[in-house]
Amino acid sequence: GESVGLHLPTLSVQEGDNSIINCAYSNSASDYFIWYKQESGKGPQFIIDIRSNMDKRQGQRVTVLLNKTVKHLSLQIAATQPGDSAVYFCAEADGGYQKVTFGTGTKLQVIP
Amino acid sequence: DGGITQSPKYLFRKEGQNVTLSCEQNLNHDAMYWYRQDPGQGLRLIYYSQIVNDFQKGDIAEGYSVSREKKESFPLTVTSAQKNPTAFYLCASLQSGANVLTFGAGSRLTVL
Repeated sequence: GESVGLHLPTLSVQEGDNSIINCAYSNSASDYFIWYKQESGKGPQFIIDIRSNMDKRQGQRVTVLLNKTVKHLSLQIAATQPGDSAVYFCAEADGGYQKVTFGTGTKLQVIP
Repeated sequence: DGGITQSPKYLFRKEGQNVTLSCEQNLNHDAMYWYRQDPGQGLRLIYYSQIVNDFQKGDIAEGYSVSREKKESFPLTVTSAQKNPTAFYLCASLQSGANVLTFGAGSRLTVL
C-alpha cells in the first residue's frame, strides 16, 4: 500500500549546526505535506507545510523542500538548538483530508 | 485558550476490561480523529468523524469503538477485543477546509 517513510531514524547534530531530516513518500496522488514535531510525552505540533505545486517553503528557522520527481521531502532546521530535540514526523494528505498518512518519525538529538 | 483536552493522561487497565478515553475540543472544529502510537512507530488512524453522529473506521479500528454525540466530544473505548491495547493514544481535530491537525497531549494506556 501507499506509505510514507523516513531514511534516518535517529539524527545527532551539534548545537548551532543545521539539521536535515528526510522523508520519502510513495503516494503520487498526495497533494499536501506536513511536518510535525513531537516532544516526549506530548502530542505532535505543526511545524510547516507545503502543497504539491510548490518546491520550497520557508518558516522561522525551518525550510521544507519537496522533490516530486523522486518523491522526497526534507525539513531543514537552521542553527539547531537544544529545544529542537524531538521526534519529527512527515505526513501526507490526499485532497479533502479524508485520511493522513504519517511516517515512522526521526529522532533529532542536539548535542550541546 | 482553545485546544484539545484528553483525559486521563495515564490509565492502567486489567486484561478483559473496557476503558474509555475522553477527548474534548473547544476549537469548534468539525472533524475529530483518534490515532494510536507505539514506541518507535508513526501514528496509525483508529477512527475519525467529520460530523456529529457520523464516524468512519481508520486503518486499525478492530477492538475499538467511538461515538460523536456532540461536536466537542469524541470518546474512544478500548474494548477487551483489542489484543494489544498498551499504547499512547492521540486525539486530534481539524477545521473544514484546513489541512493541519491539532493534537491533544495524549493518553497513555497500560494493560497489566
